[in-house]
Amino acid sequence: KAGVTQTPRYLIKTRGQQVTLSCSPISGHRSVSWYQQTPGQGLQFLFEYFSETQRNKGNFPGRFSGRQFSNSRSEMNVSTLELGDSALYLCASSLDRAHGYTFGSGTRLTVV
Amino acid sequence: AQSVTQPDIHITVSEGASLELRCNYSYGATPYLFWYVQSPGQGLQLLLKYFSGDTLVQGIKGFEAEFKRSQSSFNLRKPSVHWSDAAEYFCAVGTPMNYGGSQGNLIFGKGTKLSVKP
Repeated sequence: KAGVTQTPRYLIKTRGQQVTLSCSPISGHRSVSWYQQTPGQGLQFLFEYFSETQRNKGNFPGRFSGRQFSNSRSEMNVSTLELGDSALYLCASSLDRAHGYTFGSGTRLTVV
Repeated sequence: AQSVTQPDIHITVSEGASLELRCNYSYGATPYLFWYVQSPGQGLQLLLKYFSGDTLVQGIKGFEAEFKRSQSSFNLRKPSVHWSDAAEYFCAVGTPMNYGGSQGNLIFGKGTKLSVKP
């Protein structure tokens, strides 16, 4: 079966712009989580959606937002980009926590 | 707050040698435990997971891990390392008893980078 698909794979944006990243989970998975990965901070939790509802939110500023659609696909948006937002953004989907999480290949965002 | 500690930032082993990557966690109940591997520029691939039952779990690529409740540890082992095992390895704790709050449901260690000498 298809894995978790993240688009685009690479993105270059200018400071002050906004960006939208997309994640298509494994079919049947209703939980989608987003993580930011940087060399300095490691993997940091952004938010989790389940059946179109945000269930958890990490300690990120309000510039970071997300949503989930009825088909479980999820998007995250970052507004007013800063240089420090440059990172690998990873999406993970899950059937339930006991089954674990499957990650996509990520979107590499570079802010210049 | 729950936490995961991977004490070794970088480990170098010779090809064919055995490997053990350490992981300690802090969690109030029995957690779900995972090991993931990440190649440069790629996402995370699940190596193995522990939920309950036998404390020695087998994973993909010849890896195994042992859950030791008394030591709050979940160390990853491989008897003979191959050059293709060079990557970064992450230990993670899943939170079955609550929704994890701002840490999320899957809490990661900082990772251990494995280099393999020919």
